[in-house]
Amino acid sequence: GENVEQHPSTLSVQEGDSAVIKCTYSDSASNYFPWYKQELGKRPQLIIDIRSNVGEKKDQRIAVTLNKTAKHFSLHITETQPEDSAVYFCAASMGAGGTSYGKLTFGQGTILTVHP
Amino acid sequence: GAVVSQHPSRVICKSGTSVKIECRSLDFQATTMFWYRQFPKQSLMLMATSNEGSKATYEQGVEKDKFLINHASLTLSTLTVTSAHPEDSSFYICSAGRDSMYFGPGTRLTVT
Repeated sequence: GENVEQHPSTLSVQEGDSAVIKCTYSDSASNYFPWYKQELGKRPQLIIDIRSNVGEKKDQRIAVTLNKTAKHFSLHITETQPEDSAVYFCAASMGAGGTSYGKLTFGQGTILTVHP
Repeated sequence: GAVVSQHPSRVICKSGTSVKIECRSLDFQATTMFWYRQFPKQSLMLMATSNEGSKATYEQGVEKDKFLINHASLTLSTLTVTSAHPEDSSFYICSAGRDSMYFGPGTRLTVT
């Protein structure tokens, strides 16, 4: 089955700096790659997702890049703020469309701390 | 994005009893929902895929007789933890969506 590796496990940055989290996946058939932010005791919140027909996607301070050849994708957060502090998870699935995207394999998570 | 609700948010039960957790899609119909489990400081692990009107599909290592899933309508899936034991204590989260996947708020189960 699919295996997703996520690095680093912890990341500490100063407010205003950029943060980058990287994930690799094993199954070339995977075609949906979401990123979730999870605060302590709360649900994972979808912050951005990308499909394999797109190489990059941006939403304000957040961007995701995908390299299908190398089978890795990255989350980029610019101008970090203390409220960005949380655990971030990458995930991958090989959906054929519709709700089949939901069978997600998650990375191990990255604890991001943004110091004021 | 899609709104997914879950109930209850927290439950404490005694060992040997059963607990039912509900997952609802509030603003869309979901023929498929997904159940995950998350232990403290760990990642999310897919337990099963809930299919409306048919049997759930369980991941390897997940006991289907212990974690009963019913998806009786297009907006409701239930997970029943039968004969719960302390090792079943965990955060159970469902997800659903159309083009993107959204999670419910989760249920913190504590088995004493």
